[in-house]
Amino acid sequence: EVQLIESGGGLVQPGGSLRLSCAASGTTLSGYWMNWVRQAPGKGLEWVSRIKSDGTITTYADSVKGRFIISRDNAKNTLYLQMNSLRVEDTALYYCAQSDWFDPWGQGTLVTVSS
Amino acid sequence: QSVLTQPRSVSGSPGQSVAISCTGASGDVGGYNYVSWYQQHPGKAPKLMIHDVTQRPSGVPDRFSGSKSGNTASLTISGLQAEDEADYYCSSYAGAEKWVFGGGTKLTVL
Repeated sequence: EVQLIESGGGLVQPGGSLRLSCAASGTTLSGYWMNWVRQAPGKGLEWVSRIKSDGTITTYADSVKGRFIISRDNAKNTLYLQMNSLRVEDTALYYCAQSDWFDPWGQGTLVTVSS
Repeated sequence: QSVLTQPRSVSGSPGQSVAISCTGASGDVGGYNYVSWYQQHPGKAPKLMIHDVTQRPSGVPDRFSGSKSGNTASLTISGLQAEDEADYYCSSYAGAEKWVFGGGTKLTVL
């Protein structure tokens, strides 16, 4: 069974940093584009970032560009999201999702930005 | 990136059909055949229901179908069942390796 497991979320003050991880089991991430998608409490889905299978291409939503960095370690079968200069509006459940079809999804890790 | 426009809510009785629209622009929905639909039950992760406008992944009932005309894509659910009650989101490729989601539609089965 394919599983994506996010971790690294938590409570952080505005301006702080967090690093999220997405570990895969039952699948090899190396052959796929990978994505981060977030969902603020009670709100809809927002695409955040994307990285090519070999890590050579990365793209970001305008809302996080210049503050977040997506990366991957195919040897560890893991995706990362380094989140810097966090804002209150970054509070959300962060999901990783595999491929162009965003399938499958992990269960998410909650990031709360608050003073 | 702009959010794709979906109706906030739709409803239908068991056995009926409902359609959920997803309106974008020529730079996303209208420009590419890369529209997907996701089902999300409360407290759960989204689940892929349709990809590439009309393609249904293995395991998704054939009651779910997708289509597109111009800048608007649609998800149709026929033979509504109680377990179809959920939030539904569309997504589209928006060029330059960027993607955009719709605001979501709450489906109520009466």
